[in-house]
Amino acid sequence: GAVVSQHPSWVICKSGTSVKIECRSLDFQATTMFWYRQFPKQSLMLMATSNEGSKATYEQGVEKDKFLINHASLTLSTLTVTSAHPEDSSFYICSAGPFAGGPHEQYFGPGTRLTVT
Amino acid sequence: RKEVEQDPGPFNVPEGATVAFNCTYSNSASQSFFWYRQDCRKEPKLLMSVYSSGNEDGRFTAQLNRASQYISLLIRDSKLSDSATYLCVVNKISSGSARQLTFGSGTQLTVLP
Repeated sequence: GAVVSQHPSWVICKSGTSVKIECRSLDFQATTMFWYRQFPKQSLMLMATSNEGSKATYEQGVEKDKFLINHASLTLSTLTVTSAHPEDSSFYICSAGPFAGGPHEQYFGPGTRLTVT
Repeated sequence: RKEVEQDPGPFNVPEGATVAFNCTYSNSASQSFFWYRQDCRKEPKLLMSVYSSGNEDGRFTAQLNRASQYISLLIRDSKLSDSATYLCVVNKISSGSARQLTFGSGTQLTVLP
């Protein structure tokens, strides 16, 4: 099946610093990847759609200058949380899928748990 | 109104029991429907897609009622390993892409020995 990896799996950083999270599709090419955020006991919320070679599309309420997305290749998208604050502490998950006109199944990376102190 | 609504549970059932989860969605133009399971502190994993004619995968049966905008998941002969949060997922129709998924808040299941 389709495999998506994420790195790092967890990170602790100080308030005001920036954190970069990588999402890779290991056995397929992904022109589109998705970034989600999940707070404790809540469901996944889509943050943005990452498009290879073009700008990301952000969901309403998500600050594009705070959450920088770069999708420079067909197998890698990065999410950078700039000037992180404690309220940014969350579980960040990326997803991608073979798509190709299929039923839009998506496969998720293992997630990155961010704690901002 | 939430785009995808689920009963949050928790459902606590004994091993071997049959348990059913329900889900409703608000966008009648939605095209694709899924059930994912998410274990604690892990990523969601696709359990099964849901088709209009209903579909079964071993102990799991999914049903879709487009007229009522209702999706269900039935788990028979539940196992301890079925304990997880079950997410009802619908594809989101938005400008530019039909591939975005909208997640329900999940239904927590605990199967007791």
